[in-house]
This record gives sequence, structure tokens and C-alpha cells, in this order.
Amino acid sequence: GDSVTQMEGPVTLSEEACLTINCTYTATGYPSLFWYVQYPGEGLQLLLKATKADDKGSNKGFEATYRKETTSFHLEKGSVQVSDSAVYFCALSDHGNKLVFGAGTILRVKS
Amino acid sequence: IAGITQAPTSQILAAGRRMTLRCTQDMRHNAMYWYRQDLGLGLRLIHYSNTAGTTGKGEVPDGYSVSRANTDDFPLTLASAVPSQTSVYFCASSATGLDTEAFFGQGTRLTVV
Repeated sequence: GDSVTQMEGPVTLSEEACLTINCTYTATGYPSLFWYVQYPGEGLQLLLKATKADDKGSNKGFEATYRKETTSFHLEKGSVQVSDSAVYFCALSDHGNKLVFGAGTILRVKS
Repeated sequence: IAGITQAPTSQILAAGRRMTLRCTQDMRHNAMYWYRQDLGLGLRLIHYSNTAGTTGKGEVPDGYSVSRANTDDFPLTLASAVPSQTSVYFCASSATGLDTEAFFGQGTRLTVV
């Protein structure tokens, strides 16, 4: 079945450091790919998405490119802030009735 | 403020008791979902509904039931709670399916003792 694998955390960075959170997927067909973010005590919010190969999703300084050849959708940000501290979830949609989530990666940014 | 409301926000429940988690959305979304979030496992789909009057089973449906009598409400019922159902439960909705953005409630933290 479809699955999403993302790097284990927690990831701890200093403010203004570069961030990469790896995400790879297994799916039949051509899924849509998403990054969701969960701030402390809140539900998940969509951060960015890409619906076809080579699409780049971007939002709030974060970017991710849909790489079909490597089945990857890595999340990147050039300069993180303390306010970026959260749990980040990579997910795919099989165009059906469910989102398949990765296990989540905790990001901690220190000032 | 438009969005999804879940109730209660947290609950401690004795094993064997019945419990209904409530979820209401005011965005007129057709599709609604229930997920459970467990450390190291991400979110797993319990049940979903593509439109009022229809429901379907997700990845981990055993021990849970849902109903969708109208567009706005999607309650999740645990008929006889067990400790393995201790989790954080999230309700979500989307307009036309999960290729579009899913909106999540703030979650219900349930502890079964």
C-alpha cells in the first residue's frame, strides 16, 4: 500500500540555520504530496503542496519539490526562526479517500 | 470564526465505557475524516465520509463507529473503550477530497484507564 517515510527527529537547529527534512514515498499512480505543520497544542495546518512531478510548493519561506524519479518531497528552508518550532508531517493523497501521513518530525529552533 | 470544532478537548474514560467525540464544521465541506495521532506513527485514518449519508472505513476502524446525518456533524463513537484507544483524535474536513486542503480541528486527547 501507499506509505510515507520521513526523517526521524527531533531536529534541533539554531536560529537562521538551514533546514532540510527528508520525505520519500511509495505509491501506485501519481499522488499529490503535502507538508502539514502542527504547532504546539493545535491541529494540523497545510504548509504547502504539489500535485504533479517537478511542481514546487512554497509558503512562509518553506519549499518542497515533487521529484518523481527519486519519489521524494523534501522540505527546505534557508533560514529558520524560533517560531518555526513545530511538528512537520509529510503526506500523500491517492486521489481517493485518504491522506497517508509520515510519522512526523519534531523541529526545535533555538535562539 | 469558520472552521472545525471538536469536543471535548480532553477526557479521561474508564475502560468499557461508551464515549462519543463530537465534530462540527461550518465550511459546508462535503468530506469529513477522523484520525488518531500516536507518537511515532503519525496520523492514521479511522473513518471517513465523502458526503452526508455515507461513511467508509479507514486504516484502523475497529472499535469505532461514525455517522453522518447532515453535512456539518461527524461524531465518532467508541462503543466500549479499551486502553489501546488512548490517543489524540483529530477531525478534519475538505471541500472535494484530499487533493484539496484538509482543515483540522484542535484535537481531543482521550485517556482510557
